[in-house]
Amino acid sequence: DGGITQSPKYLFRKEGQNVTLSCEQNLNHDAMYWYRQDPGQGLRLIYYSQIVNDFQKGDIAEGYSVSREKKESFPLTVTSAQKNPTAFYLCASRRQASTDTQYFGPGTRLTVL
Amino acid sequence: KQEVTQIPAALSVPEGENLVLNCSFTDSAIYNLQWFRQDPGKGLTSLLLIQSSQREQTSGRLNASLDKSSGRSTLYIAASQPGDSATYLCAVRSTNAGKSTFGDGTTLTVKP
Repeated sequence: DGGITQSPKYLFRKEGQNVTLSCEQNLNHDAMYWYRQDPGQGLRLIYYSQIVNDFQKGDIAEGYSVSREKKESFPLTVTSAQKNPTAFYLCASRRQASTDTQYFGPGTRLTVL
Repeated sequence: KQEVTQIPAALSVPEGENLVLNCSFTDSAIYNLQWFRQDPGKGLTSLLLIQSSQREQTSGRLNASLDKSSGRSTLYIAASQPGDSATYLCAVRSTNAGKSTFGDGTTLTVKP
């Protein structure tokens, strides 16, 4: 089955901890994205990567970090510097062409205790 | 900076009714516009993708239109069913970046 997987589905973090959210795709897509969604709101872009070993900040990158060492993987680390990390996190991917559909994973819900 | 607005924020209709969801954007220089469906606690599922050169796309009971000059898109749902209940989001991909800007969504409830 081709698609995007995210793990874990639910994640709990204590104050001051860093946590890493996993995103893997087997669609052979070049571009990958991380979004944050708060209740009743749309998606806001955290980071995106259009090619391996390269990534750019989105609109709300502060307190987050990413890496893109492999084409199929784009992990997101939520650091202790992110003051309000409780949210639903969505990973997406797309072939590089501008005309292509963006595909989404099932999401990870992060809660700070 | 691109801004995307969806009105209304919530909509409740009886089963069988035809309905229209609206999406407006501020910068008409776009690559494409995409409509998504999101069920509670789930990821997004792509419904329709309209390229900037197209006026509309159809899939089953869904029809999406695009008017770049006025900065508007509509999603038309024919003969609504309770299974259509979900949040519908539109996303605009601009020409100067690989990223998309999302609206806040319209939450649709179709009553049996």
